[in-house]
Amino acid sequence: EAGVAQSPRYKIIEKRQSVAFWCNPISGHATLYWYQQILGQGPKLLIQFQNNGVVDDSQLPKDRFSAERLKGVDSTLKIQPAKLEDSAVYLCASSLEPGPGELFFGEGSRLTVL
Amino acid sequence: AQTVTQSQPEMSVQEAETVTLSCTYDTSESDYYLFWYKQPPSRQMILVIRQEAYKQQNATENRFSVNFQKAAKSFSLKISDSQLGDAAMYFCAYRRFTGNQFYFGTGTSLTVIP
Repeated sequence: EAGVAQSPRYKIIEKRQSVAFWCNPISGHATLYWYQQILGQGPKLLIQFQNNGVVDDSQLPKDRFSAERLKGVDSTLKIQPAKLEDSAVYLCASSLEPGPGELFFGEGSRLTVL
Repeated sequence: AQTVTQSQPEMSVQEAETVTLSCTYDTSESDYYLFWYKQPPSRQMILVIRQEAYKQQNATENRFSVNFQKAAKSFSLKISDSQLGDAAMYFCAYRRFTGNQFYFGTGTSLTVIP
């Protein structure tokens, strides 16, 4: 079974530039999550999708971050314009419902903002 | 929102010895799930063990076991016969029974000393 795919793995940009990250969850997983993990901290949920609908985006900085999940499969997370404090690893995860579904994580996209 | 606390930022253990990582959580819900995830350096996060709150029996997966104290809201991870490959960040996570939101602790960095 293929895992959660993310790209790019690494991205370096200047502040005020834009960046986009892509995620393809495990086939059949209805729930998709984007987490931000700053070095030395635990993952912080940015947005959670159930199929192509948003379940929770309360911690998404909507003035600069946006995310979509068209057709309920893959998803894109965009940052525009980027700030220095956006430097982090952006983790995508998916889970299968219903039941005590665990999260399956991708390898993450490491963003450095200079 | 639920909070998850890991009070040990760093732990170390001698190879072949046993170590226990602590986790406490705050919730008013009676049904939920708890997880321990492992994140090796620069590698993706993987599930170590899970516990359903309605189960009294502590979960065990080979060398990994938990001590789940529901009344105390405590969920510790015990690693027996520690191996060099166990060196990683360990995150405790709480998942709501409904809604599927996950909340992570700040992590414990485990070093295994040869």
